[in-house]
Amino acid sequence: NAGVTQTPKFQVLKTGQSMTLQCAQDMNHNSMYWYRQDPGMGLRLIYYSASEGTTDKGEVPNGYNVSRLNKREFSLRLESAAPSQTSVYFCASQSPGRYYGYTFGSGTRLTVV
Amino acid sequence: GENVEQHPSTLSVQEGDSAVIKCTYSDSASNYFPWYKQELGKRPQLIIDIRSNVGEKKDQRIAVTLNKTAKHFSLHITETQPEDSAVYFCAASEYSTLTFGKGTMLLVSP
Repeated sequence: NAGVTQTPKFQVLKTGQSMTLQCAQDMNHNSMYWYRQDPGMGLRLIYYSASEGTTDKGEVPNGYNVSRLNKREFSLRLESAAPSQTSVYFCASQSPGRYYGYTFGSGTRLTVV
Repeated sequence: GENVEQHPSTLSVQEGDSAVIKCTYSDSASNYFPWYKQELGKRPQLIIDIRSNVGEKKDQRIAVTLNKTAKHFSLHITETQPEDSAVYFCAASEYSTLTFGKGTMLLVSP
């Protein structure tokens, strides 16, 4: 069982370039999440998907779009990258029910220059 | 929305001492409170959680307490070891979406 798989692990972009961060889980979880982690800021929710076919904005959605391609996959897209989007991005999935914590992917370290 | 405050931001202890990290939350409807440990360069991993109908939960050297009236919960680590050194995050949730605190960097010196 791989759990939650994120690709790529590292990426450097130039300002204005676009890219898609990929996330896939093999645990048959309904809910999936994208967080960004910045020093001293903790983990902040970008977008989430409670089930296949639905997506909702989190705390910091500006500059991002998401696609829940199927139950397994949830991608995050940066259409025009900005230096403020330099961060570590974590995808997570959650077992059904309200009393279960997340399983996180290994993260993508993105630098925008 | 929910707001979670976490203190202290850094905590240094000697091996064998106890460590306590405290969090407060704003939404009285929150009913699930997990704690995550993140080692340097790694992903956050769930170490313990507590539900709102429970006041305390223990798992070997770690324990979590919850005071719903005061809207605060705490992580207690006893007999700390160097491998406990990491960043610890608390979180709160009413239904599914977790709101995280800003984290506590725990350093355990041999």
